[in-house]
Amino acid sequence: AQSVTQLGSHVSVSEGALVLLRCNYSSSVPPYLFWYVQYPNQGLQLLLKYTSAATLVKGINGFEAEFKKSETSFHLTKPSAHMSDAAEYFCAVRNTGTASKLTFGTGTRLQVTL
Amino acid sequence: DTEVTQTPKHLVMGMTNKKSLKCEQHMGHRAMYWYKQKAKKPPELMFVYSYEKLSINESVPSRFSPECPNSSLLNLHLHALQPEDSALYLCASSPRQGDSVKNSPLHFGNGTRLTVT
Repeated sequence: AQSVTQLGSHVSVSEGALVLLRCNYSSSVPPYLFWYVQYPNQGLQLLLKYTSAATLVKGINGFEAEFKKSETSFHLTKPSAHMSDAAEYFCAVRNTGTASKLTFGTGTRLQVTL
Repeated sequence: DTEVTQTPKHLVMGMTNKKSLKCEQHMGHRAMYWYKQKAKKPPELMFVYSYEKLSINESVPSRFSPECPNSSLLNLHLHALQPEDSALYLCASSPRQGDSVKNSPLHFGNGTRLTVT
């Protein structure tokens, strides 16, 4: 089964600084990758998804991710962090086949400081 | 606002109680999911329904019993739970399963926070 690995369980950045959250996938075939955000006491909200139409994917709230096959990576970035970006971020992969279940990485908690 | 509605938001139950969690979506999605999320952990899949039929059971204990009465509703019946079952239970939906919609995301509700005493 395909899986994703998120490096760094906790990332802290200053407001206005670059946000970089790392995600690597294990797959020998084109994966179906997603980034979700979870704010405290809420469900998961889709930030963006990789569809193979473009390697650079733009999402909501100013986030984007770049698919790099050579590095098996799908890192999430945002040029300038805002206090409201503080949340838990999950990278996820949708397995192929009829099951098509969504499997999550371990998550990265983003802290934004003044 | 989420398009997947879960009720109740919070639930406290004793180990001998019977309760149910409810999930509803009106997006015409034909696949529905139950996930369990413990604190500081990612969501873990429990069940998947496709066209109102159970298609995946991730070896979940029988004290959890899912039900999909129609294409818009998904229930999770709870009986004789243990304190370690305390968690956030998330419902999700997607258009359907299968290779044709592999890049289709899941839409999540805000979850039910369950505490078993």
